[in-house]
Amino acid sequence: LAKTTQPISMDSYEGQEVNITCSHNNIATNDYITWYQQFPSQGPRFIIQGYKTKVTNEVASLFIPADRKSSTLSLPRVSLSDTAVYYCLVGNTNDYKLSFGAGTTVTVRA
Amino acid sequence: SAVISQKPSRDICQRGTSLTIQCQVDSQVTMMFWYRQQPGQSLTLIATANQGSEATYESGFVIDKFPISRPNLTFSTLTVSNMSPEDSSIYLCSVDSSGATGNNEQFFGPGTRLTVL
Repeated sequence: LAKTTQPISMDSYEGQEVNITCSHNNIATNDYITWYQQFPSQGPRFIIQGYKTKVTNEVASLFIPADRKSSTLSLPRVSLSDTAVYYCLVGNTNDYKLSFGAGTTVTVRA
Repeated sequence: SAVISQKPSRDICQRGTSLTIQCQVDSQVTMMFWYRQQPGQSLTLIATANQGSEATYESGFVIDKFPISRPNLTFSTLTVSNMSPEDSSIYLCSVDSSGATGNNEQFFGPGTRLTVL
C-alpha cells in the first residue's frame, strides 16, 4: 500500500471549512484514495472515496489533482461534532488489508 | 451497510490470563479483519479471518498469542492470550463491503477496550 502523509492536527471553529491534505507520492495506477473518520471510543467510519478529480457526498468533498500525488478532504461548515481523527488511505480494490497512517486530529471549537 | 457488534465492550484483566473477544455481523461476509489500536495510536491489522480456513496473520502477530476462530460467515472471535500490560489496547473487528455500497470500504465494530493490570 502507498504510504501517506498528513498533518498531525488541525484546529478550526464552528462554521468554518476544514481542508486536510494528504500526500501519497507513490500512488499506483489502480489505487483509490479513501478517507475514514474516527470518533473517540468508536471504530473508524468511511467518509468518502475517489480516484481522480472531485467527489462529493453529503458529508464531504474530495479533491484529487491530475497527478494524484495528493488529495484534499474538505469538510464544509464544521460543527463541534466533527471533532475526530481523519485517516487518509490509499489502495486498490484488491487491498482488503487497510493500512492506517497516523491520521489528522481535527478539533473544532465553539 | 453492515452492523457489527463486539463483546465485551471493555474489560480489565490480570496479566497472564486470556480474554476472548466476540465479533458478530448482521449479514454474511467472506472476510473479517481484526485490528489493534494502542493508546493514542493508529490502527494496526492483526489478521484476516476467513470462514473455513486458518486466519492469516500480519508481521508481528502470531497465532499462539492471538488465536482466531471463524466458525461461520457472521461470527468471529479473537483471543488475547497470556496477557501483559503491553496488550492494553482497543481491539476492533471489521468486514469488507465487497462493493455492496458502490465503494471499496470496510465497516468497523465499536471496539473492545482492554486494560491489562
